[in-house]
This record gives sequence, C-alpha cells and structure tokens, in this order.
Amino acid sequence: ETGVTQSPTHLIKTRGQQVTLRCSSQSGHNTVSWYQQALGQGPQFIFQYYREEENGRGNFPPRFSGLQFPNYSSELNVNALELDDSALYLCASSSPPQGNPEAFFGQGTRLTVV
Amino acid sequence: QKEVEQDPGPLSVPEGAIVSLNCTYSNSAFQYFMWYRQYSRKGPELLMYTYSSGNKEDGRFTAQVDKSSKYISLFIRDSQPSDSATYLCAIAAGNKLTFGGGTRVLVKP
Repeated sequence: ETGVTQSPTHLIKTRGQQVTLRCSSQSGHNTVSWYQQALGQGPQFIFQYYREEENGRGNFPPRFSGLQFPNYSSELNVNALELDDSALYLCASSSPPQGNPEAFFGQGTRLTVV
Repeated sequence: QKEVEQDPGPLSVPEGAIVSLNCTYSNSAFQYFMWYRQYSRKGPELLMYTYSSGNKEDGRFTAQVDKSSKYISLFIRDSQPSDSATYLCAIAAGNKLTFGGGTRVLVKP
C-alpha cells in the first residue's frame, strides 16, 4: 500500500506567478484535502475534493483552486502568488469524506515566494 | 479567538519523563479529537484519535477528552529522544480538520 506522495518537494516562485502542486492519494482513498502550514503554525484547511468535486472550502481566496482526477490524484493551483503564500502545502487523503476522520498526510511541498 | 488553542512551547523534558500536552476548543459541534506528530520538514503523522469523553490508550500514548470543559490532552509515558517533535491537536467536524498551532517538544537524553 503506497502512502501519500507530493511533488515537487520544494520550489521557489516570484510574486505574481502561478504554481501547480501535485498529490497522489493513498491507495484506496477517494478524498483529498489540501492544507497550508505557515512557519510555526498549525495547518489550515484550504479545500477538499471527493469524487472529482469540491467538497468544502476554507477561508482562502478564489486564486486558490484545485482539481481531482479519476484516479483520485489532485492538484492545487495558486494564481497571482503573494509573499504570504510562502508556506508548506500539505495534501491529506482519506476515505470516505465523513464518518472516518483518519487523514494521512504527504511530506508536503515547501513553496517560497520571493 | 481561535477555534483550537494550543500552547506553542517549547516543552523540554528529560528522557523517561511523562510529556503532558493539551488543547482547548470552542466549537461544540466538533466530532473527533486527534493528535498528530510532525517532525521537522515532514508532514503530520496521525498518532491516535477518539470521539468520546474519557481516556484512550495506545502503547505509551494516552489521549484524554473532556467535552464538558472543551479540553483535550495527550500524555506520553517513558518519553524518548525520538519523541522530540511538534505535536498538533486537530479536531474534526464534517469534512475538515481544525488544528491547534502545535507544541514543540524536546526530550533530552
């Protein structure tokens, strides 16, 4: 059984650019959630995807968007990057979306915006 | 006021001591209470979760929930240097986890 994998592990972008982060969910999991973790803070919920549809969103602007594919992998896209977007972006997979709270995290993508 | 509050630490203890961590929360709708461990530059790792008031044990770890006080705790017995990490409480309601800010723990040999 493979775990949650994220790519890339690190990247540096310039303010105003766009970025795409990728996540492969754990085998058998059909739900993917994305979190943003600023340095020294706990993760904050961005949104969740279940069966290719957005299934809940946190307090993040529309320039944060996502996709889920038929194989349950997912992408997080961030447009018009701002310096405050610098953080560790975490993907978590689970199944099903409600009734089972166990969410398993990937190692994260560390994004630096300069 | 944050929905989940957690003392940031750092908490430094000698090897073999009991580590005591806690969080408070404000939303009575929260359903599940979880503890994650996060090593530096890694993703959070689920340690254990519970949904009812009372204690739950798993090896050296005991999770405690008091819903009347909106207070959750994690105790680590016989702490080891490998337990040095940031511990995050998380509370699940619906489809998302709400995390505390994390407590950094250092177990000194």
